[in-house]
Amino acid sequence: DVKVTQSSRYLVKRTGEKVFLECVQDMDHENMFWYRQDPGLGLRLIYFSYDVKMKEKGDIPEGYSVSREKKERFSLILESASTNQTSMYLCASSPTPGQGAGIQYFGAGTRLSVL
Amino acid sequence: SQQGEEDPQALSIQEGENATMNCSYKTSINNLQWYRQNSGRGLVHLILIRSNEREKHSGRLRVTLDTSKKSSSLLITASRAADTASYFCAPSKGGSQGNLIFGKGTKLSVKP
Repeated sequence: DVKVTQSSRYLVKRTGEKVFLECVQDMDHENMFWYRQDPGLGLRLIYFSYDVKMKEKGDIPEGYSVSREKKERFSLILESASTNQTSMYLCASSPTPGQGAGIQYFGAGTRLSVL
Repeated sequence: SQQGEEDPQALSIQEGENATMNCSYKTSINNLQWYRQNSGRGLVHLILIRSNEREKHSGRLRVTLDTSKKSSSLLITASRAADTASYFCAPSKGGSQGNLIFGKGTKLSVKP
């Protein structure tokens, strides 16, 4: 079974802190994604990566950056956390669509509260 | 846009009843996927239907696709309390990066 592991289920940080959310997948998938999910807004794509050291902006990249130094790990960085970044963060991975039709496998999510 | 829009936003039924959720989209697709999310958890892939398929079954799930109407439906038969979750459709155009755009989902509540 594909396993996508997010480092924390719950996280509480203070405004202005630098926050790292880590995601690791064990299926050698090329593509990895970071979403945030807020009530009434659904899932919104923050960043994605289709290869090591490659990254692409999603719909809402402002205030975030990402790092993918190794194929299995995709990190989301909040450079200076703000209260409006309080949200549920979801990481996903997928194989190249030609192999898996773009099915995404999700981690359990990290609920981040910024105080 | 490629985003799917689920309808209804919320659905409440009794255990044993069938639940039908609908999805509409606007562009041509390669396939359409349905996902489920239990409260406070990540999404889980349920079923994928390709653009050249009209119907697909998986256990108590039945998915239909009408590309002429740009719509899909997910039917859960003989629902159980454990089916209580949010359900999302994700139309996909394929491509090398496999991006999906999720809608806001249908929140299904199955009462025992």
